[in-house]
Amino acid sequence: GDSVTQMEGPVTLSEEAFLTINCTYTATGYPSLFWYVQYPGEGLQLLLKATKADDKGSNKGFEATYRKETTSFHLEKGSVQVSDSAVYFCALSDLFSGGYNKLIFGAGTRLAVHP
Amino acid sequence: DSGVTQTPKHLITATGQRVTLRCSPRSGDLSVYWYQQSLDQGLQFLIHYYNGEERAKGNILERFSAQQFPDLHSELNLSSLELGDSALYFCASSGTGGPTNEQFFGPGTRLTVL
Repeated sequence: GDSVTQMEGPVTLSEEAFLTINCTYTATGYPSLFWYVQYPGEGLQLLLKATKADDKGSNKGFEATYRKETTSFHLEKGSVQVSDSAVYFCALSDLFSGGYNKLIFGAGTRLAVHP
Repeated sequence: DSGVTQTPKHLITATGQRVTLRCSPRSGDLSVYWYQQSLDQGLQFLIHYYNGEERAKGNILERFSAQQFPDLHSELNLSSLELGDSALYFCASSGTGGPTNEQFFGPGTRLTVL
């Protein structure tokens, strides 16, 4: 079945450092890919998405490119801030595998940014 | 604020009991999804309703059931509770569906089974 694999955390960075969180996926069809962020004590918020190969999603300085050839959707940010500390989830939605855009999530990667 | 509301925020109960979690989707959204977040299983899809009809089931136990009412709010019923059911339960809503349709998540209900 479909699955998402994320790099294990926690990831600890200093402010203004470069961030990469790796995400790879396995899917039957042509999935849409998402990054969600969960701040402490809150629900999930959509950070960015990409719906087809070579699409780049971007938001709040974060970017991720849908790479079909490597089945990857790595999250990057050029300069992290303390306020970016959260748990980041990579997810996919595949209409052809279970349908109706249920989300399949990775395990999540905790990011801690220190001043 | 996503526009999705969930009640209650916290729920503490005992093994063997039954509880009901409630979700109100964003105005105009027809789809409601339920997810369970636990330390050992991560975020797992439970069930999806669209305009009152069940559309997809995930890893939902037989002790759990859900429904979506004509006003589109949804309830998740958990019965014969076990310690392992302790988790965060999220509801999400989206519009007309389709894999590119963004899901908006509520703040969750934290269930503790003692």
